[in-house]
Amino acid sequence: QQQVKQSPQSLIVQKGGISIINCAYENTAFDYFPWYQQFPGKGPALLIAIRPDVSEKKEGRFTISFNKSAKQFSLHIMDSQPGDSATYFCAAREGQSGSARQLTFGSGTQLTVLP
Amino acid sequence: NAGVMQNPRHLVRRRGQEARLRCSPMKGHSHVYWYRQLPEEGLKFMVYLQKENIIDESGMPKERFSAEFPKEGPSILRIQQVVRGDSAAYFCASSPYAGSYEQYFGPGTRLTVT
Repeated sequence: QQQVKQSPQSLIVQKGGISIINCAYENTAFDYFPWYQQFPGKGPALLIAIRPDVSEKKEGRFTISFNKSAKQFSLHIMDSQPGDSATYFCAAREGQSGSARQLTFGSGTQLTVLP
Repeated sequence: NAGVMQNPRHLVRRRGQEARLRCSPMKGHSHVYWYRQLPEEGLKFMVYLQKENIIDESGMPKERFSAEFPKEGPSILRIQQVVRGDSAAYFCASSPYAGSYEQYFGPGTRLTVT
């Protein structure tokens, strides 16, 4: 019930291409969906987040698409750059009425952008 | 730098020793979460604390692990009698208040048990 499933496990994209990472969840109490970027040896950094009242959120080259009925959300990285090479985690958290305040993370996607 | 601070960054302990990991939240933040990351896995929630209170410890192993967040000073995650399976990266995150969704992570402490 608490799991967030993330795919693919690894992704290789050419510079300038579009990177797409997908996540799916079961817990309908989730109502906050962030994406984190993690470089080797560093902590996760909040990249972009969405609430389920909108279907899409865009910040620069990063876009979250959200499908509430399918319980799926995805991260799109446009014009991917070698500097985007990192591990990306999706996550979810219950809303204010839920008892859980912690983030539930996906298993991560290792993105490599080739120059 | 007003970010989340963790120390030490790397910690090596022999089996049976105690490990103490420290986390200082961002300035103005009074809520701290601890997560554990095993190699090539996602982060798993361990415990959620407010100043002087443990709010949720549902992800904490029942034995050998404890956490505190005193009125003054950093939050501490303590692992007693460490075993090799405790080797992992331990991250803390902070948020300003209970209703805040955003959590900001520190750089982590990488614990190696030999």
